[in-house]
Amino acid sequence: GNSVTQMEGPVTLSEEAFLTINCTYTATGYPSLFWYVQYPGEGLQLLLKATKADDKGSNKGFEATYRKETTSFHLEKGSVQVSDSAVYFCALGPLSGAQKLVFGQGTRLTINP
Amino acid sequence: GAGVSQSPSNKVTEKGKDVELRCDPISGHTALYWYRQSLGQGLEFLIYFQGNSAPDKSGLPSDRFSAERTGGSVSTLTIQRTQQEDSAVYLCASSLDREAKTQYFGPGTRLLVL
Repeated sequence: GNSVTQMEGPVTLSEEAFLTINCTYTATGYPSLFWYVQYPGEGLQLLLKATKADDKGSNKGFEATYRKETTSFHLEKGSVQVSDSAVYFCALGPLSGAQKLVFGQGTRLTINP
Repeated sequence: GAGVSQSPSNKVTEKGKDVELRCDPISGHTALYWYRQSLGQGLEFLIYFQGNSAPDKSGLPSDRFSAERTGGSVSTLTIQRTQQEDSAVYLCASSLDREAKTQYFGPGTRLLVL
């Protein structure tokens, strides 16, 4: 079946460090790929997306590239801030016949000043 | 414009009681989804509505769970005879149409079953 595997957390970094959160997926077909972010006490917000292979999604300094050959969609940011502390979810979908999103388990990121 | 709204934001109930959770999607969005976020299970799909089509109920965990969508807009998720394992955050999302790729989420309803 379709699934998403994310880097296990929690991840703790210092401010201005480089961030990578790994995400790989298994899917039949060609899904869209998403990163959602959940700040403390808030709901899920779309961070970025890519709808086809080699597309790069970007937002708020975060980037992720849809790599079909490695079935990956790793999230990166060059210089993190304390305000980036949140839980990050990688997701895929929808796929033909199934409109739901399939989520990874989430990665909790804490940035220390 | 207004995003997806959900009510109540928090609900505490006793085991065995019924609860109703409400979702107001973004105006004009024809697709509506319910998910559940719990510590042990992560984010799980529950049910999907698209226009007047029959809903995809494949994610509902038991027959105690049901959902309706009236007039193609507001949706209500009902949990009958609640159990402690139903405690979770229930998230609603909406998207523009069947082929849309982006789902927008509400703030969720945090349900605690005592």
